[in-house]
Amino acid sequence: ETGVTQTPRHLVMGMTNKKSLKCEQHLGHNAMYWYKQSAKKPLELMFVYSLEERVENNSVPSRFSPECPNSSHLFLHLHTLQPEDSALYLCASSLVPGQGTDTQYFGPGTRLTVL
Amino acid sequence: AQTVTQSQPEMSVQEAETVTLSCTYDTSESDYYLFWYKQPPSRQMILVIRQEAYKQQNATENRFSVNFQKAAKSFSLKISDSQLGDAAMYFCAFLKDSSYKLIFGSGTRLLVRP
Repeated sequence: ETGVTQTPRHLVMGMTNKKSLKCEQHLGHNAMYWYKQSAKKPLELMFVYSLEERVENNSVPSRFSPECPNSSHLFLHLHTLQPEDSALYLCASSLVPGQGTDTQYFGPGTRLTVL
Repeated sequence: AQTVTQSQPEMSVQEAETVTLSCTYDTSESDYYLFWYKQPPSRQMILVIRQEAYKQQNATENRFSVNFQKAAKSFSLKISDSQLGDAAMYFCAFLKDSSYKLIFGSGTRLLVRP
């Protein structure tokens, strides 16, 4: 397994709930990413943080709010979600973002179900 | 905008045989990188192989090799001597040089028959 962990692994929430997903990397990397993996769509990049600064926000609805307090931790705060937001949310980290020789290491994902 | 297409939703291979997974992409960029990622059931996605567009030589990693045809914008993955542990979803991905944004295809599920 890689050094990227995600909690919780499974989450069920109602549309009015507020919850947070957590990602932690133990690899000394400088960049962290959130991806959404839906059943019938390709993986979609949501957010990228490089050295704790957000460098990519891929037109994600405001009901998803990322937070990167330091280079090892990344959160995705969720509120007022819709059923179509149900998906596997993957976190990744990398050492030198923006370089093709960089490798992204993925976490196991959080399976989110919105009722 | 770049797109990545994997036209085979599912492939099946007999153990010890060879299988090729297809990937095509569309881009106007000249400098980019291509990747194959593997996602086993309920396990983390890992990088299988990477190809730099400026390199003519096809990348190889043990039993995994690619056939990179830049003019045709094709990037197929060949798995030789298939093993049961190769069963997984395989994703082709594109990265423009100096970009943060990996663009993934829809994936190919590989089944390995014992």
